[in-house]
Order: sequence, then C-alpha cells, then structure tokens
Amino acid sequence: GQNIDQPTEMTATEGAIVQINCTYQTSGFNGLFWYQQHAGEAPTFLSYNVLDGLEEKGRFSSFLSRSKGYSYLLLKELQMKDSASYLCAVRLYYGNNRLAFGKGNQVVVIP
Amino acid sequence: DVKVTQSSRYLVKRTGEKVFLECVQDMDHENMFWYRQDPGLGLRLIYFSYDVKMKEKGDIPEGYSVSREKKERFSLILESASTNQTSMYLCASSRGQAYTEAFFGQGTRLTVV
Repeated sequence: GQNIDQPTEMTATEGAIVQINCTYQTSGFNGLFWYQQHAGEAPTFLSYNVLDGLEEKGRFSSFLSRSKGYSYLLLKELQMKDSASYLCAVRLYYGNNRLAFGKGNQVVVIP
Repeated sequence: DVKVTQSSRYLVKRTGEKVFLECVQDMDHENMFWYRQDPGLGLRLIYFSYDVKMKEKGDIPEGYSVSREKKERFSLILESASTNQTSMYLCASSRGQAYTEAFFGQGTRLTVV
C-alpha cells in the first residue's frame, strides 16, 4: 500500500514565498510529481523529481529526499492566480508505474 | 498540444442506469487512467490501462469496468449507477513506463439521482 500526506490548507500573502510539504510511505517509489489544480479544472503538471535535490522552474521549485520520503514545492513571488490546490503524486514501480495522489493542499493567496 | 478529451463536462443519470464515460487522447500514449475526485479524499485511481485491451484495477474498482479497444480511447463504465458514484471523474494519459508527465482531461462531473 501507499500513504501520501499533505497539509490540507494554507493561506499566504501576495508576493510571499510558500512551501508545500508532502511526505510519502510507498513501496516501489519511482518518481514524484507536483500538479496544480484550479477549482473546477483539470490538474496541470508543474514538476517532476526522481533523484534527490532541487529542481527549479521559474517561480516554482521542487525538492526531493528519497531517504526521508519527503518532498516540497516552493512557490515564490506569490500571485493571486496561484490560489489553487497543489497535488503531490508518486509514481510506483509496481502496477506498471501507476500514479498515486495525495489529497492535495489548498493554497489561498490574499492581497 | 497534448489533448485529452472527455466526452461530457456534466452528466446527470438515474440510479440503476448504465453509464459510459469516454476519454480520447491524441498523443499516441500507451498509458491511460481513470480517477475519481471527491472533497477530502483527493484523486483515487479506479482503473488504468498500459496497452490496448489491457487493464488493471486501481484502488477503488468496485462498481466500475473499463474498455480499451483502441489505443486512443479509454472508456469507464458504471454498470448500474448508484448515488455514491456521484463525483468528478478525471481521465489521464502518459507515454511509456518511464513517463515524466501525465496529462489530464477536463473532467466529467457526474451526478446520480
């Protein structure tokens, strides 16, 4: 089985930096994804980590530590449009590399 | 642009009806997935397919079946719809075993009355 944990909600101010954590306990870890989902819309891909370390992509960065079963997504220079749910997902070796999701972290950006 | 298209955005069906949700992708992806998304529960995998005519159960397959007769199309079937199947259904696709991105359709909001 697998267990993927994320905090449920956080509020942050426009222009600030927010860190969204994800911890996982899975068998057959084979990569971690972050997705953004605005209310009523489909999830859209943000980042992918398979090796330890930081991946940077503009205002978004994602970090992975496989030994700790831990990842975070860092959002810098927050904008109002960043208000969304952020989903952490683990790709699993077994079951033909299926994708298992956490419950998502709702980020609310306030002026 | 990668496109994953679900046949309906909103559906209302009666209890006991047979319901078909269709998903088509245009990127020749091997893998296709069906999830349902409920408040407080996140995305849960119902079924997935890694090749034509191949299917594997996800975490919550009960009450559902799937069909993949062509590579680009993956159908989710509710044999006899029940009110607890009211949910947002999301289809996704990805390429190969070592995929680094999965693409989602816009979702189908199904209400069973």
